[in-house]
Amino acid sequence: EAQVTQNPRYLITVTGKKLTVTCSQNMNHEYMSWYRQDPGLGLRQIYYSMNVEVTDKGDVPEGYKVSRKEKRNFPLILESPSPNQTSLYFCASSLTWGQPQHFGDGTRLSIL
Amino acid sequence: GQNIDQPTEMTATEGAIVQINCTYQTSGFNGLFWYQQHAGEAPTFLSYNVLDGLEEKGRFSSFLSRSKGYSYLLLKELQMKDSASYLCAVREAAGNKLTFGGGTRVLVKP
Repeated sequence: EAQVTQNPRYLITVTGKKLTVTCSQNMNHEYMSWYRQDPGLGLRQIYYSMNVEVTDKGDVPEGYKVSRKEKRNFPLILESPSPNQTSLYFCASSLTWGQPQHFGDGTRLSIL
Repeated sequence: GQNIDQPTEMTATEGAIVQINCTYQTSGFNGLFWYQQHAGEAPTFLSYNVLDGLEEKGRFSSFLSRSKGYSYLLLKELQMKDSASYLCAVREAAGNKLTFGGGTRVLVKP
């Protein structure tokens, strides 16, 4: 089954404790992206990747890092999480840039 | 940068028609997507417009006017399961970003 898989689905953690949210897709998609969704603000793009080893900042990259060492994986790293990063995060992928994106089921992060 | 506006909420009756408007201001336009998102779930793709005009897909249609910076999503023969948020997203001509509007929550009542 074609899918985008995120882990964990839920996480409660504390300020400053590094965490990684994994994202994997099995559709051989070139384009992958991370979004955060907050009430009243909609989906905002954090980082995106056009292909392996090609990543770039979205609209809200501060406090986040990403890597794209393999085509299928695009982890989101929070080196020193802070409470303002409490949010619902979505990973998405598409065959190429400009194609409709497939979204993962989301990861709800709470930073205390 | 981009500015995308959608109404926050709309209510309609089962069987009726609802039109969700999306206006955008962008330095460069290269296409507009509509996604549906049920509460607590991931967004799913509905439609894509890059040229002016109407795209029809069953009960859902999407319209684009590039000169006016305007799109709408038309939902016909509304069903209870259409209660969801509808997200408008604009693709920039330069760069590879996709910018979403705040979403329109549609509530379908019996």
